[in-house]
Amino acid sequence: EVQLVESGGGLVKPGGSQRLSCAASGFTFSSYSMSWVRQAPGKGLEWLSSISSSSSYIYYADSVKGRFTISRDNAKNSLYLQMNSLGAEDTAVYYCARDNTTMGYYFDYWGQGTLVTVSS
Amino acid sequence: QLVLTQSPSASASLGASVRLTCTLSSGHSTYAIAWHQQQPEKGPRYLMKLNSDGSHSKGDGIPDRFSGSSSGAERYLTISSLQSEDEADYYCQTWDTGIRVFGGGTKLTVL
Repeated sequence: EVQLVESGGGLVKPGGSQRLSCAASGFTFSSYSMSWVRQAPGKGLEWLSSISSSSSYIYYADSVKGRFTISRDNAKNSLYLQMNSLGAEDTAVYYCARDNTTMGYYFDYWGQGTLVTVSS
Repeated sequence: QLVLTQSPSASASLGASVRLTCTLSSGHSTYAIAWHQQQPEKGPRYLMKLNSDGSHSKGDGIPDRFSGSSSGAERYLTISSLQSEDEADYYCQTWDTGIRVFGGGTKLTVL
């Protein structure tokens, strides 16, 4: 069974940093691209960043480019998101998702999410 | 610019059918999409990938009540025999080189 479990959320002050983790199991992690998606309170889904299976290709949404860094450790079956210079607009539930790259790039498994609240 | 447009809300009665629409922006009518369901207070769940010719591949355990179809730039998700647990937000999602794009989502109410 594919499982994605996010952690690392919490309360952070404006201008601060936070690192999210996503532990993957039930599939060959090193064979899949992975992504981060967030959802602000009462809002829709927003794609943030994707990383290829070997970390050769990394992409970011304009809203987080230069502030967020995606990375992965295939030996630990883990995905990470380092978030810097956080503002109130970054308050959201953050999801990791597995990319299915068979004839496209769509998310075929999702985690349950971790809440990041940016507030003083 | 690649944009997906969804109606904010839809409603249908228990046991009935409903069709949700996702419209691709001009110049992108051949793009495939994926449909995702988000029940209240839960993470999203992948429903299916839907191609421009209407062929689709569903996720693990997705009931036959969920089906997809396409016409031009429109991609449809049809849910038949509506059940109470189908009340959820439904998002379409597509992609281009280096980016992933979501529609704004449709909130489905089961009456």
